[in-house]
Amino acid sequence: DIQMTQSPSSLSASVGDRVTITCQASQDISNYLNWYQQKPGKAPKLLIYDASNLETGVPSRFSGSGSGTDFTFTISSLQPEDIATYYCQQYDNLPTFGPGTKVDIK
Amino acid sequence: QVQLQESGPGLVKPSQTLSLTCTVSGGSISSGGYYWSWIRQHPGKGLEWIGYIYYSGSTYYNPSLKSRVTISVDTSKNQFSLKLSSVTAADTAVYYCARAGSSTVGFDYWGQGTLVTVSS
Repeated sequence: DIQMTQSPSSLSASVGDRVTITCQASQDISNYLNWYQQKPGKAPKLLIYDASNLETGVPSRFSGSGSGTDFTFTISSLQPEDIATYYCQQYDNLPTFGPGTKVDIK
Repeated sequence: QVQLQESGPGLVKPSQTLSLTCTVSGGSISSGGYYWSWIRQHPGKGLEWIGYIYYSGSTYYNPSLKSRVTISVDTSKNQFSLKLSSVTAADTAVYYCARAGSSTVGFDYWGQGTLVTVSS
């Protein structure tokens, strides 16, 4: 199994802040990495695919980068509607998700 | 617009088999190019991929659940189904069905999720 870790597990930031979440894979997964946003009581929403590609309709303040084992997800200017838990997911092998990062407003 | 909707019992007794169906609208499972997936989320926890099926019937399962999981597809009804046997309280979770591309395996369409509680 490919294990995924994320850090931090939670964070609080102010509106307008730049927010960065990291995701690490237990082995090289090339760019086979996606990012999701999940709001309470809702299904996850795909934001970024193949590490750095923005899904259609997703605001440009969201971005992703990385390859191999280390990946980064960034919100360039945090908005109130971005309060959610964010998950990374690899698909180099059978899919696995990271444990999630909960983002709150300070 | 593709839509997915889970259906099935919300309460299952321990040791019995959990059965859920996902009905797909706005797109045909038979058209290919996608994995039709089941994902679950324990209360207050993260996401766990259970498995997926291709329209041809090829299946792929999470190794940790493989011995208890069966995913099947009924292309005539545009549905796919999940069976999880010998359930315990640890299988209590929200179960989602979702679609993933077969090249970029990102889950781009999801059902709303259905809570299944395992209790006597």
